[in-house]
Amino acid sequence: AQRVTQPEKLLSVFKGAPVELKCNYSYSGSPELFWYVQYSRQRLQLLLRHISRESIKGFTADLNKGETSFHLKKPFAQEEDSAMYYCALHTGGFKTIFGAGTRLFVKA
Amino acid sequence: ETGVTQTPRHLVMGMTNKKSLKCEQHLGHNAMYWYKQSAKKPLELMFVYSLEERVENNSVPSRFSPECPNSSHLFLHLHTLQPEDSALYLCASSQEPTGNYGYTFGSGTRLTVV
Repeated sequence: AQRVTQPEKLLSVFKGAPVELKCNYSYSGSPELFWYVQYSRQRLQLLLRHISRESIKGFTADLNKGETSFHLKKPFAQEEDSAMYYCALHTGGFKTIFGAGTRLFVKA
Repeated sequence: ETGVTQTPRHLVMGMTNKKSLKCEQHLGHNAMYWYKQSAKKPLELMFVYSLEERVENNSVPSRFSPECPNSSHLFLHLHTLQPEDSALYLCASSQEPTGNYGYTFGSGTRLTVV
């Protein structure tokens, strides 16, 4: 079955601490993975795509096919990073499956 | 306004009403989507339109009826809904139909069925 799992509903870290939001997927094909972010009172927006191998707002994510993971990382969390983060798997065709989301709270 | 615009932002309707949600994108994208976001559940894909043709219907009840008159506009017609249909309905668009470049989302319509 095609599935995206974000095991943590809430992640709380102190400002300046490293942060890792976990994402695991289940898909037999070649996955295309994304992270989306939703800041308070803003719309859901694309943060990064694994195929771009980019770093956005200090966040990076590496696809690990062996562990079927696509964890989102940032070495030093900022208060403005507090938001809801969704991992998404594009399964080919027209379908993208979203995880349930992780709320990141960065404490001062 | 640029991006993806959804109207209305909030909607309260009775179970016997008929209403429509509207989505408009000014990005020149070729695909548009309806997603449902319920409390404590992941986003659920409802419909996909590619170049104005419906290409995905994700087992959605017939009380939800989509319409895509052109590549910039997408509607979701609602009739005889149930209280469990109360949710945030998100519209999204993508540059090309496969969604490889990710989606641009609207702000959503918060629907309450009473």
